[in-house]
Amino acid sequence: QVHLEQSGPEVKNPGASVRVSCKTSGYTFSRYGVSWVRQAPGQGPEWMAWISGKHGKTMYGQKFQGRLTVATDSSTPTVYMDLRGLKSDDTAVYYCGRDLMGSPSFLDHWGQGTLVTVSS
Amino acid sequence: QSALIQPASVSGSPGQSITISCSGATSDIGDYVFVCWYQQHPGQAPKLLISDVSDRPSWISPRFSGSKSGDTASLTISALQTEDEAHYYCASYTATGAPLFGGGTLLTVL
Repeated sequence: QVHLEQSGPEVKNPGASVRVSCKTSGYTFSRYGVSWVRQAPGQGPEWMAWISGKHGKTMYGQKFQGRLTVATDSSTPTVYMDLRGLKSDDTAVYYCGRDLMGSPSFLDHWGQGTLVTVSS
Repeated sequence: QSALIQPASVSGSPGQSITISCSGATSDIGDYVFVCWYQQHPGQAPKLLISDVSDRPSWISPRFSGSKSGDTASLTISALQTEDEAHYYCASYTATGAPLFGGGTLLTVL
């Protein structure tokens, strides 16, 4: 069955960077994309980025342009999200989810979430 | 870009039907069929209920249905059950290519 396994919780200082991984299994990686979505405490989800499993094409939310990078390792297959210049309002649960191959549309399977806490 | 607009809360009794609205604009809900709905229980990841306005994944109960009229999408839950108590979020593709989520609706089953 489709499964997305994310890396564990992180605690970071302001200004630092964080990498969250998302290891996928149970489906043909190249036939889908993966989106990253975050959810701050008590807030609704916020879409961040999408990457195609076939071409590695990416799309980023305007808010994150310049400090967010997503990449894939098709051999494992795992998707990585790197967020730089962390601020306190980046504290959130970060989710990866299986999306369509051609563009970000909807997430039909989700990882369990990774809590990233930014605090001095 | 502002979030899609949902009522903060709705409530219903077991066995009843409820509808949750999701208001957007012509640059999102109005122009695209990529409108979806998610259910989220406390401490869990969201779960896809509806995609492409009204398509239901095979693992989702037919009690959940979606529709769209103009710039507003709706989720209807029939025959309410206590386990339906959760947060519900709509989301839509937008003209910028970036999906936009709603602010969420808390469903209370009385």
